[in-house]
Amino acid sequence: GDSVTQMEGPVTLSEEAFLTINCTYTATGYPSLFWYVQYPGEGLQLLLKATKADDKGSNKGFEATYRKETTSFHLEKGSVQVSDSAVYFCALSREIQGAQKLVFGQGTRLTINP
Amino acid sequence: ETGVTQSPTHLIKTRGQQVTLRCSSQSGHNTVSWYQQALGQGPQFIFQYYREEENGRGNFPPRFSGLQFPNYSSELNVNALELDDSALYLCASSFGTGMETQYFGPGTRLLVL
Repeated sequence: GDSVTQMEGPVTLSEEAFLTINCTYTATGYPSLFWYVQYPGEGLQLLLKATKADDKGSNKGFEATYRKETTSFHLEKGSVQVSDSAVYFCALSREIQGAQKLVFGQGTRLTINP
Repeated sequence: ETGVTQSPTHLIKTRGQQVTLRCSSQSGHNTVSWYQQALGQGPQFIFQYYREEENGRGNFPPRFSGLQFPNYSSELNVNALELDDSALYLCASSFGTGMETQYFGPGTRLLVL
């Protein structure tokens, strides 16, 4: 079945460091891919998405490129801030019985120190 | 524009009891999906409602059931609660059942003792 595997956390970085969170997926066909972020005590917020191969999603300085050949969607940011501390989830979108279902990875907790 | 809201925010129940969780979808959205997020895990799809009908279900037993109302709000009902049902329950709304972006509410944290 479909699955998403994320880089194990937690990840701790200093402010202004470069961030990469790895995400690979297993799926038939070409699902849409997403990164969601969850701040403490809150629900999930969509960070960025890509709907087809070679698409690049970007938002708030974060980027991820849909790589069909490596089945990956790694999240990157050039210079992280303390406010980026959160849990990040990679997800793919799959249709099941006519409904759109999101399949999530286990999440990666990111802490940025000043 | 009002976002997705859920109630209550927290709930404590005992094993065997029943619980109802509520969700109001974002303005203009007609589809609601429910997810269960166990501690330290990613959310798992429970089911989706569209036009007041269940429109797809994940790997959850029948004691998980739901409703959608004409105003597109939704309820998740869980009967015969088990300890493993302790989790954050997330509701997400979207427009239509295609590959539209799902927008999540803050969740209801359920603890089963």
